[in-house]
Amino acid sequence: NAGVTQTPKFRILKIGQSMTLQCAQDMNHNYMYWYRQDPGMGLKLIYYSVGAGITDKGEVPNGYNVSRSTTEDFPLRLELAAPSQTSVYFCASRYGTGGPYGYTFGSGTRLTVV
Amino acid sequence: EDQVTQSPEALRLQEGESSSLNCSYTVSGLRGLFWYRQDPGKGPEFLFTLYSAGEEKEKERLKATLTKKESFLHITAPKPEDSATYLCAVQAPNTGNQFYFGTGTSLTVIP
Repeated sequence: NAGVTQTPKFRILKIGQSMTLQCAQDMNHNYMYWYRQDPGMGLKLIYYSVGAGITDKGEVPNGYNVSRSTTEDFPLRLELAAPSQTSVYFCASRYGTGGPYGYTFGSGTRLTVV
Repeated sequence: EDQVTQSPEALRLQEGESSSLNCSYTVSGLRGLFWYRQDPGKGPEFLFTLYSAGEEKEKERLKATLTKKESFLHITAPKPEDSATYLCAVQAPNTGNQFYFGTGTSLTVIP
């Protein structure tokens, strides 16, 4: 099993450009999440999905969009990139909301907006 | 308001010098408290889940404990390979699928 796979690992964007961060998991997890991690700050939830076709906003959704057309994939779209979106982005998945198992995280995408 | 506070921010230990990391939380009706390990340039790796006060979990040199207001991650006789950032997260009721993460404790174990 590959777990959670994120691409790309690094990206530099110019202000106003758009891009999609890819996330795929092969564990048949229903729940998928996008977090951002900034220095000195805890991980902040951007969007999450409880299954194919269902998404909802997290704590910091502005400037982002998501879709969930399959169980495996959960891409994050950045429209009109801004310097405030410079961060490390983590995708995570989980079997359900209960139980003893935490998230499985991907290895992250480091995004710089200049 | 801060849901999760971790201390200290950074900790340097000599190899074999035991210590504890703290995670205090303000949510009531805790649904779960989670500990993760994060190595530089990588995603967090799940370690433990604790549900109720008095609960303890162990894995190798790590032991996590939980009270009504805080959790401790005890590290016994650490080795250099235990160097990492340790993150704590809580899941509160009525928050949908939101987990609140602390900012982490950066642990360095010196040979």
